[in-house]
Amino acid sequence: QQQVKQSPQSLIVQKGGISIINCAYENTAFDYFPWYQQFPGKGPALLIAIRPDVSEKKEGRFTISFNKSAKQFSLHIMDSQPGDSATYFCAASMTFNKFYFGSGTKLNVKP
Amino acid sequence: DTGVSQNPRHKITKRGQNVTFRCDPISEHNRLYWYRQTLGQGPEFLTYFQNEAQLEKSRLLSDRFSAERPKGSFSTLEIQRTEQGDSAMYLCASSPQGLSGELFFGEGSRLTVL
Repeated sequence: QQQVKQSPQSLIVQKGGISIINCAYENTAFDYFPWYQQFPGKGPALLIAIRPDVSEKKEGRFTISFNKSAKQFSLHIMDSQPGDSATYFCAASMTFNKFYFGSGTKLNVKP
Repeated sequence: DTGVSQNPRHKITKRGQNVTFRCDPISEHNRLYWYRQTLGQGPEFLTYFQNEAQLEKSRLLSDRFSAERPKGSFSTLEIQRTEQGDSAMYLCASSPQGLSGELFFGEGSRLTVL
């Protein structure tokens, strides 16, 4: 059973536009929800993360929106830039012991 | 460079051979994770260490896979009698103990089984 479901699989956005990636989870025991960014040939790197006690977290152009009742969270990238073109993974964890990753979204920001 | 280091970066082997990957975590990071990533998929949990203790191992892993972390420093992941289905990127990550859940990933070891 896939613990974290991510959509869309791929996304094309014009420069300056808003990129939105969605994730859903099943296990209400998850207490940490990070987003990772991965460039080709590199390992994933933490972008932003949220705990379930807040509904939104913003860091620069990146925002996580969290809906505990719906068991969903999303990543919003404002003013998307070509340099943001990468694969994005959502994840969920219980006390950092094991992380479950979504299947990834390949973002292409057109100049 | 003080990041997570993985070796070898690429390994091509014939089916049935044994392979071993090494991970050197960021010093003082007591948590170490192994993940497997296939093309177009997210990282899949394999196993997790806290210091030298292996705390959890994925039920998806067959007994052909074994991991160690002697003395709580570097870790090795061995795959015995490799199969073509083992072809993947093997990612290592480390994390400091505490309130931060950030995983610091290495660049991975790509395995191709012919």
